[in-house]
Amino acid sequence: KQEVTQIPAALSVPEGENLVLNCSFTDSAIYNLQWFRQDPGKGLTSLLLIQSSQREQTSGRLNASLDKSSGRSTLYIAASQPGDSATYLCAVLLGSQGGSEKLVFGKGTKLTVNP
Amino acid sequence: GAGVSQTPSNKVTEKGKYVELRCDPISGHTALYWYRQSLGQGPEFLIYFQGTGAADDSGLPNDRFFAVRPEGSVSTLKIQRTERGDSAVYLCASSLLAGVGEQFFGPGTRLTVL
Repeated sequence: KQEVTQIPAALSVPEGENLVLNCSFTDSAIYNLQWFRQDPGKGLTSLLLIQSSQREQTSGRLNASLDKSSGRSTLYIAASQPGDSATYLCAVLLGSQGGSEKLVFGKGTKLTVNP
Repeated sequence: GAGVSQTPSNKVTEKGKYVELRCDPISGHTALYWYRQSLGQGPEFLIYFQGTGAADDSGLPNDRFFAVRPEGSVSTLKIQRTERGDSAVYLCASSLLAGVGEQFFGPGTRLTVL
């Protein structure tokens, strides 16, 4: 059974700091990996999608890497801002020969960026 | 709007009642997913539709839960004889391409069973 773990569970940093969020998964047979942001009481906003054949993706101050063989992904946030405060969720897309597919999520890292 | 929409945003019901939660996916997206998120947890998969058919309903907790997508667009998640343990945020997502596509989520429906 695929398990996704995110470390740390919570992180508090001063504004301007660069930071790394970690995600690990137990089964490397994934289609892709997505990083999401969730604000309190809100839905999920997709940040980055990395296909299983890719090593990294970048969007603005965000960079996500994927090492499928070791079951790890990192989300790097450069020059953090108070508006980056949210819970960040990592999810892997699993498939099956029967045509099913589903995202398996970690519990998230709650990030607080202090002014 | 262009995103996934869900109604209602909040639903409070009494134990034993029947509820329906609606999801409008992004236009043209053939894949639709339902997830459930409990407090402090990541979302958990419930069911996946490709077009009108449920390709995988293995995440539905029991036979009180049922979902339909009769015309391949709007989907309804139905919960019979609600229990307090059903209280959670129910999230819907859609994707243009199954298998490799990015999933886009709606704002969710917060269900509270008293």
